[in-house]
Amino acid sequence: DAKTTQPTSMDCAEGRAANLPCNHSTISGNEYVYWYRQIHSQGPQYIIHGLKNNETNEMASLIITEDRKSSTLILPHATLRDTAVYYCIVRVTSSGTYKYIFGTGTRLKVLA
Amino acid sequence: EAGVVQSPRYKIIEKKQPVAFWCNPISGHNTLYWYLQNLGQGPELLIRYENEEAVDDSQLPKDRFSAERLKGVDSTLKIQPAELGDSAVYLCASSSGDYNEQFFGPGTRLTVL
Repeated sequence: DAKTTQPTSMDCAEGRAANLPCNHSTISGNEYVYWYRQIHSQGPQYIIHGLKNNETNEMASLIITEDRKSSTLILPHATLRDTAVYYCIVRVTSSGTYKYIFGTGTRLKVLA
Repeated sequence: EAGVVQSPRYKIIEKKQPVAFWCNPISGHNTLYWYLQNLGQGPELLIRYENEEAVDDSQLPKDRFSAERLKGVDSTLKIQPAELGDSAVYLCASSSGDYNEQFFGPGTRLTVL
Protein backbone atom coordinates (compact mmCIF):
# COMPACT_ATOMS: atom_id res chain seq x y z
CA ASP A 1 0.00 0.00 0.00
CA ALA A 2 1.17 3.50 -0.75
CA LYS A 3 1.69 5.43 2.43
CA THR A 4 2.37 9.04 3.26
CA THR A 5 4.92 10.80 5.44
CA GLN A 6 4.19 14.21 6.89
CA PRO A 7 5.91 16.42 9.48
CA THR A 8 4.37 16.00 12.90
CA SER A 9 3.74 19.69 13.43
CA MET A 10 4.20 23.13 11.88
CA ASP A 11 3.59 26.73 12.88
CA CYS A 12 2.49 29.52 10.55
CA ALA A 13 1.93 33.22 11.14
CA GLU A 14 -1.58 34.47 10.54
CA GLY A 15 -1.96 35.98 7.07
CA ARG A 16 1.02 34.13 5.67
CA ALA A 17 0.95 31.14 3.35
CA ALA A 18 1.04 27.74 5.01
CA ASN A 19 2.92 25.12 2.98
CA LEU A 20 2.32 21.58 4.18
CA PRO A 21 4.52 18.91 2.59
CA CYS A 22 3.74 15.24 2.08
CA ASN A 23 5.89 12.39 0.80
CA HIS A 24 4.23 9.46 -0.97
CA SER A 25 7.22 7.85 -2.67
CA THR A 26 5.50 4.48 -3.24
CA ILE A 27 2.43 5.90 -4.92
CA SER A 28 1.20 4.09 -8.03
CA GLY A 29 0.20 5.72 -11.29
CA ASN A 30 -3.55 5.57 -10.73
CA GLU A 31 -3.60 6.52 -7.05
CA TYR A 32 -4.99 9.92 -6.12
CA VAL A 33 -3.71 12.21 -3.38
CA TYR A 34 -6.35 13.71 -1.08
CA TRP A 35 -6.05 16.26 1.68
CA TYR A 36 -8.39 16.50 4.64
CA ARG A 37 -8.18 18.46 7.83
CA GLN A 38 -9.58 17.80 11.28
CA ILE A 39 -10.37 20.50 13.76
CA HIS A 40 -10.46 19.37 17.38
CA SER A 41 -13.48 17.22 18.27
CA GLN A 42 -14.88 17.30 14.73
CA GLY A 43 -14.84 14.83 11.86
CA PRO A 44 -12.32 15.34 9.06
CA GLN A 45 -13.18 17.88 6.37
CA TYR A 46 -12.28 17.49 2.68
CA ILE A 47 -9.92 20.11 1.25
CA ILE A 48 -8.71 19.08 -2.20
CA HIS A 49 -7.48 16.14 -4.27
CA GLY A 50 -5.41 15.51 -7.40
CA LEU A 51 -3.75 12.90 -9.56
CA LYS A 52 -1.01 14.51 -11.65
CA ASN A 53 -1.86 18.14 -12.27
CA ASN A 54 -1.79 20.95 -9.78
CA GLU A 55 -5.21 21.79 -8.40
CA THR A 56 -6.76 24.89 -6.85
CA ASN A 57 -10.07 25.54 -5.18
CA GLU A 58 -11.49 28.13 -2.82
CA MET A 59 -9.74 26.58 0.17
CA ALA A 60 -6.27 25.68 -1.03
CA SER A 61 -3.85 24.74 -3.78
CA LEU A 62 -2.29 21.32 -4.30
CA ILE A 63 1.10 21.08 -5.96
CA ILE A 64 2.14 17.57 -7.05
CA THR A 65 5.71 16.94 -8.22
CA GLU A 66 6.23 15.60 -11.70
CA ASP A 67 7.36 12.20 -10.38
CA ARG A 68 4.31 12.22 -8.07
CA LYS A 69 6.41 11.17 -5.11
CA SER A 70 5.50 14.22 -3.08
CA SER A 71 2.99 17.02 -2.87
CA THR A 72 2.43 20.29 -1.04
CA LEU A 73 -0.81 21.73 0.24
CA ILE A 74 -0.83 25.52 0.23
CA LEU A 75 -3.18 27.62 2.30
CA PRO A 76 -2.52 31.03 0.74
CA HIS A 77 -3.52 33.24 3.67
CA ALA A 78 -3.72 31.24 6.86
CA THR A 79 -6.17 32.32 9.56
CA LEU A 80 -6.53 31.21 13.15
CA ARG A 81 -9.44 28.99 12.07
CA ASP A 82 -7.03 26.99 9.91
CA THR A 83 -5.43 25.55 13.05
CA ALA A 84 -6.07 21.81 12.67
CA VAL A 85 -4.51 18.45 11.87
CA TYR A 86 -3.97 18.10 8.13
CA TYR A 87 -3.99 14.63 6.60
CA CYS A 88 -2.37 13.75 3.30
CA ILE A 89 -4.06 10.59 2.03
CA VAL A 90 -3.45 8.25 -0.85
CA ARG A 91 -6.46 6.57 -2.40
CA VAL A 92 -5.19 3.04 -2.90
CA THR A 93 -6.81 0.82 -5.51
CA SER A 94 -6.44 -2.93 -5.19
CA SER A 95 -8.36 -5.93 -6.50
CA GLY A 96 -11.09 -3.78 -7.95
CA THR A 97 -11.74 -1.85 -4.79
CA TYR A 98 -10.22 1.21 -3.14
CA LYS A 99 -9.27 2.47 0.28
CA TYR A 100 -8.22 5.80 1.73
CA ILE A 101 -5.17 5.38 3.95
CA PHE A 102 -4.77 8.16 6.50
CA GLY A 103 -1.44 8.80 8.18
CA THR A 104 -0.88 10.62 11.46
CA GLY A 105 -1.11 14.04 9.84
CA THR A 106 0.53 17.42 10.44
CA ARG A 107 -0.68 19.49 13.34
CA LEU A 108 -0.72 23.08 11.99
CA LYS A 109 -0.86 25.90 14.46
CA VAL A 110 -1.60 29.36 13.07
CA LEU A 111 -0.17 32.03 15.32
CA ALA A 112 -1.62 35.50 15.80
CA GLU B 1 -28.87 20.35 3.91
CA ALA B 2 -28.12 18.25 6.97
CA GLY B 3 -24.72 16.68 7.23
CA VAL B 4 -23.87 13.18 8.37
CA VAL B 5 -25.63 12.51 11.66
CA GLN B 6 -24.21 10.19 14.29
CA SER B 7 -25.53 9.15 17.65
CA PRO B 8 -24.77 8.99 20.42
CA ARG B 9 -21.96 11.55 20.56
CA TYR B 10 -20.51 10.00 23.71
CA LYS B 11 -20.85 6.57 25.25
CA ILE B 12 -19.33 5.13 28.41
CA ILE B 13 -19.71 1.42 29.07
CA GLU B 14 -18.06 -1.28 31.11
CA LYS B 15 -16.00 -3.95 29.40
CA LYS B 16 -17.85 -6.97 28.11
CA GLN B 17 -21.00 -4.91 27.54
CA PRO B 18 -22.48 -4.45 24.06
CA VAL B 19 -22.66 -1.07 22.36
CA ALA B 20 -24.16 0.24 19.12
CA PHE B 21 -23.56 3.35 17.07
CA TRP B 22 -25.92 4.81 14.51
CA CYS B 23 -25.20 6.83 11.40
CA ASN B 24 -27.48 8.63 8.97
CA PRO B 25 -25.58 9.70 5.84
CA ILE B 26 -26.28 12.66 3.62
CA SER B 27 -29.39 12.08 1.52
CA GLY B 28 -28.58 10.46 -1.80
CA HIS B 29 -25.09 9.29 -0.81
CA ASN B 30 -24.79 5.64 -1.75
CA THR B 31 -21.37 5.08 -0.19
CA LEU B 32 -21.03 4.87 3.58
CA TYR B 33 -17.86 4.36 5.61
CA TRP B 34 -17.17 3.51 9.22
CA TYR B 35 -13.77 4.53 10.60
CA LEU B 36 -12.02 4.02 13.91
CA GLN B 37 -9.81 6.81 15.21
CA ASN B 38 -7.47 6.30 18.14
CA LEU B 39 -6.07 9.26 20.03
CA GLY B 40 -3.36 11.01 18.06
CA GLN B 41 -3.86 8.81 15.00
CA GLY B 42 -5.59 9.19 11.68
CA PRO B 43 -8.88 7.41 10.96
CA GLU B 44 -8.69 3.74 9.97
CA LEU B 45 -11.34 2.22 7.75
CA LEU B 46 -13.47 -0.50 9.34
CA ILE B 47 -16.03 -1.08 6.60
CA ARG B 48 -17.34 0.51 3.41
CA TYR B 49 -20.83 0.09 2.00
CA GLU B 50 -22.04 0.67 -1.53
CA ASN B 51 -25.79 0.94 -0.99
CA GLU B 52 -26.63 -2.03 1.24
CA GLU B 53 -23.61 -4.13 0.22
CA ALA B 54 -20.47 -4.26 2.34
CA VAL B 55 -17.79 -4.05 -0.36
CA ASP B 56 -14.78 -3.79 1.97
CA ASP B 57 -14.89 -5.18 5.49
CA SER B 58 -11.36 -6.55 5.54
CA GLN B 59 -10.38 -4.41 8.55
CA LEU B 60 -13.47 -5.14 10.61
CA PRO B 61 -12.72 -7.44 13.59
CA LYS B 62 -15.55 -9.81 12.88
CA ASP B 63 -15.30 -11.73 16.13
CA ARG B 64 -16.78 -8.80 18.03
CA PHE B 65 -17.73 -6.12 15.51
CA SER B 66 -20.71 -6.18 13.16
CA ALA B 67 -22.37 -3.64 10.93
CA GLU B 68 -25.48 -3.37 8.84
CA ARG B 69 -27.07 -1.04 6.33
CA LEU B 70 -30.28 -2.85 5.62
CA LYS B 71 -32.07 -0.39 3.33
CA GLY B 72 -28.99 1.25 1.92
CA VAL B 73 -29.52 4.40 3.94
CA ASP B 74 -28.67 4.57 7.63
CA SER B 75 -26.24 2.17 9.26
CA THR B 76 -25.47 0.65 12.63
CA LEU B 77 -22.09 -0.49 13.95
CA LYS B 78 -22.12 -2.85 16.91
CA ILE B 79 -19.47 -4.14 19.28
CA GLN B 80 -20.20 -7.19 21.42
CA PRO B 81 -18.54 -7.62 23.81
CA ALA B 82 -16.57 -4.39 24.15
CA GLU B 83 -12.96 -4.49 25.34
CA LEU B 84 -10.83 -1.82 26.95
CA GLY B 85 -8.89 -1.37 23.71
CA ASP B 86 -12.05 -0.41 21.85
CA SER B 87 -12.02 3.02 23.48
CA ALA B 88 -11.76 5.40 20.52
CA VAL B 89 -13.77 7.71 18.29
CA TYR B 90 -15.96 5.97 15.72
CA LEU B 91 -16.50 8.08 12.64
CA CYS B 92 -19.09 7.67 9.93
CA ALA B 93 -18.68 9.23 6.49
CA SER B 94 -20.62 9.21 3.24
CA SER B 95 -19.97 10.12 -0.37
CA SER B 96 -21.86 10.18 -3.65
CA GLY B 97 -19.28 8.45 -5.79
CA ASP B 98 -15.92 6.72 -5.95
CA TYR B 99 -13.74 9.80 -6.33
CA ASN B 100 -15.99 12.25 -4.59
CA GLU B 101 -15.17 13.81 -1.28
CA GLN B 102 -16.22 12.07 1.89
CA PHE B 103 -18.38 13.97 4.33
CA PHE B 104 -17.71 12.98 7.92
CA GLY B 105 -19.99 13.04 10.90
CA PRO B 106 -18.82 14.36 14.29
CA GLY B 107 -18.09 10.87 15.56
CA THR B 108 -19.02 8.86 18.65
CA ARG B 109 -16.47 8.86 21.44
CA LEU B 110 -16.53 5.47 23.17
CA THR B 111 -14.97 4.92 26.56
CA VAL B 112 -14.75 1.36 27.84
CA LEU B 113 -14.08 1.05 31.57
